[in-house]
Amino acid sequence: GNSVTQMEGPVTLSEEAFLTINCTYTATGYPSLFWYVQYPGEGLQLLLKATKADDKGSNKGFEATYRKETTSFHLEKGSVQVSDSAVYFCALRLHGSGNTGKLIFGQGTTLQVKP
Amino acid sequence: GAGVSQSPRYKVAKRGQDVALRCDPISGHVSLFWYQQALGQGPEFLTYFQNEAQLDKSGLPSDRFFAERPEGSVSTLKIQRTQQEDSAVYLCASSLGPLAGGETQYFGPGTRLLVL
Repeated sequence: GNSVTQMEGPVTLSEEAFLTINCTYTATGYPSLFWYVQYPGEGLQLLLKATKADDKGSNKGFEATYRKETTSFHLEKGSVQVSDSAVYFCALRLHGSGNTGKLIFGQGTTLQVKP
Repeated sequence: GAGVSQSPRYKVAKRGQDVALRCDPISGHVSLFWYQQALGQGPEFLTYFQNEAQLDKSGLPSDRFFAERPEGSVSTLKIQRTQQEDSAVYLCASSLGPLAGGETQYFGPGTRLLVL
């Protein structure tokens, strides 16, 4: 079936450290891929997305590249800040007839950044 | 502009009670989704509306769950005879819809349901 797997958390980093959160997926066809972020006490927000292979999504210093050959969409940031502390969700959206556009999420990865 | 809003934000119910959760999508958004998020997990799809039509309800866990969007705007998720396993955060999301090429979903803050 269709699914998303993220690395287990929590991930604890010092400020200015390099961040990688791994995400792999299983899907029929070629999905769109997303990273959503949930800051403490807030709702889910779209962080970035990519709609086809080799696309790179980027926002707020975060980047992720759609890798079809490895079915991955790893999230990276060169220098994290305390304000990046949140829960990060990787998700996919299937296309084509019979697909309503629902998102399939991974289990989430908690990032804690210490000053 | 206003985002997706949900009410109530918190709901405590005794087991066996019926509850109704409301979602106000972004104005003009055709597509509306409901998700259930258990503690420490990612959201899981419940149901999907395109305007007032419920096109997919494959994620509803039992016939105690019912959703409607009668005028193609506000939606209500109803849970009858609540059980403890229904305790979760219920998220609503809306998007422009498939014909507008709008696949980005915008989420509300969620309703946290606790069934005692």
